[in-house]
Amino acid sequence: QKEVEQNSGPLSVPEGAIASLNCTYSDRGSQSFFWYRQYSGKSPELIMFIYSNGDKEDGRFTAQLNKASQYVSLLIRDSQPSDSATYLCAVNRDAGNMLTFGGGTRLMVKP
Amino acid sequence: DADVTQTPRNRITKTGKRIMLECSQTKGHDRMYWYRQDPGLGLRLIYYSFDVKDINKGEISDGYSVSRQAQAKFSLSLESAIPNQTALYFCATSDPGLAGAEQFFGPGTRLTVL
Repeated sequence: QKEVEQNSGPLSVPEGAIASLNCTYSDRGSQSFFWYRQYSGKSPELIMFIYSNGDKEDGRFTAQLNKASQYVSLLIRDSQPSDSATYLCAVNRDAGNMLTFGGGTRLMVKP
Repeated sequence: DADVTQTPRNRITKTGKRIMLECSQTKGHDRMYWYRQDPGLGLRLIYYSFDVKDINKGEISDGYSVSRQAQAKFSLSLESAIPNQTALYFCATSDPGLAGAEQFFGPGTRLTVL
């Protein structure tokens, strides 16, 4: 079992819809959770991070964390074609900066 | 200017050749990382360094070595390249004082080993 798992997709949503991306992790001691966006051939860029159970909102993005069920999700409201990318979930397992990445979910937003 | 730079951006080489990938940063971060990315496998950690005198192996260090020449420079070497080392390589930095432990990535080096 991978430490951080994501459905590889592609996840296809129409423009204006809500895209829901999910991630599960195996280490119950994980402390912080990150969502990175990566356009094809480019480097990952941080969208947001979360470390407390519940929801965290930033513009059109909402991260949701449920430590009891060991999953973290990312919701993208009013999806735009420019949101089409691969979304990487990453988990921090300790007080340091070490991250373990999932394989990523490819999102396609169709006009 | 970019905060994290990598050279070269693209490299094609042959099996058995020695290759060095270089990373420089102007962010003033102590912590630096080398990852490789293969389709569908996300980012996998090769080596990391928390300061100039600290070098640590990641999950896939076999076949690789690193050198931390200064706080701002972290190089990755493939002593004898093999085709399954064909991948996209990223350098990253982080600041332990920043909340959330965000890592900042360079633009990547696409390496092809024939």
